[in-house]
Amino acid sequence: GQNIDQPTEMTATEGAIVQINCTYQTSGFNGLFWYQQHAGEAPTFLSYNVLDGLEEKGRFSSFLSRSKGYSYLLLKELQMKDSASYLCAVRRNSGGYQKVTFGTGTKLQVIP
Amino acid sequence: DAMVIQNPRYQVTQFGKPVTLSCSQTLNHNVMYWYQQKSSQAPKLLFHYYDKDFNNEADTPDNFQSRRPNTSFCFLDIRSPGLGDAAMYLCATSRGQGARTQYFGPGTRLLVL
Repeated sequence: GQNIDQPTEMTATEGAIVQINCTYQTSGFNGLFWYQQHAGEAPTFLSYNVLDGLEEKGRFSSFLSRSKGYSYLLLKELQMKDSASYLCAVRRNSGGYQKVTFGTGTKLQVIP
Repeated sequence: DAMVIQNPRYQVTQFGKPVTLSCSQTLNHNVMYWYQQKSSQAPKLLFHYYDKDFNNEADTPDNFQSRRPNTSFCFLDIRSPGLGDAAMYLCATSRGQGARTQYFGPGTRLLVL
């Protein structure tokens, strides 16, 4: 089975930087995803890591350490529209298929 | 624009009355997924199709079935909805199982009365 842990809620100030952590335990690891989900909407893709290190894309960066089972999503220059849930998802090889399991998400509130 | 479309966006059904949710895609992706997401919970994978190859998650209730008549369309059938089946149902697609991302449709919110 799998276990994915992320903080339930976080609050940060507009213009600041926030780091959302995700730890996981799985066998057959084959990639980690971060998605953003606004209330009542579908998840939208933010980033993908399969090798150790940092992936940067504009204001968003994601880091992965496979040996530690750890990832973080870094959001810079926070904007009010960044208030959303951020879902960490892990893909693993299972029985000839590749399956993605989502964490319960971190609800980020950006305050003025 | 290429996209994933789900109809309807909102569906109301009665307890025990069969309901079908639909998903279509113009991305020509060979993998399609159905997720169930309840309030404040993670999306939970129900099943997926890899081309015509159907894979059911072990804990997906028998009440849930799926059909994929062609590459573009996939249906979720709930044979006898219970109150606990009220949720957002998300369809997603990917180009291969090892793709960098899944593309999600807007979801169908199901209400069971």
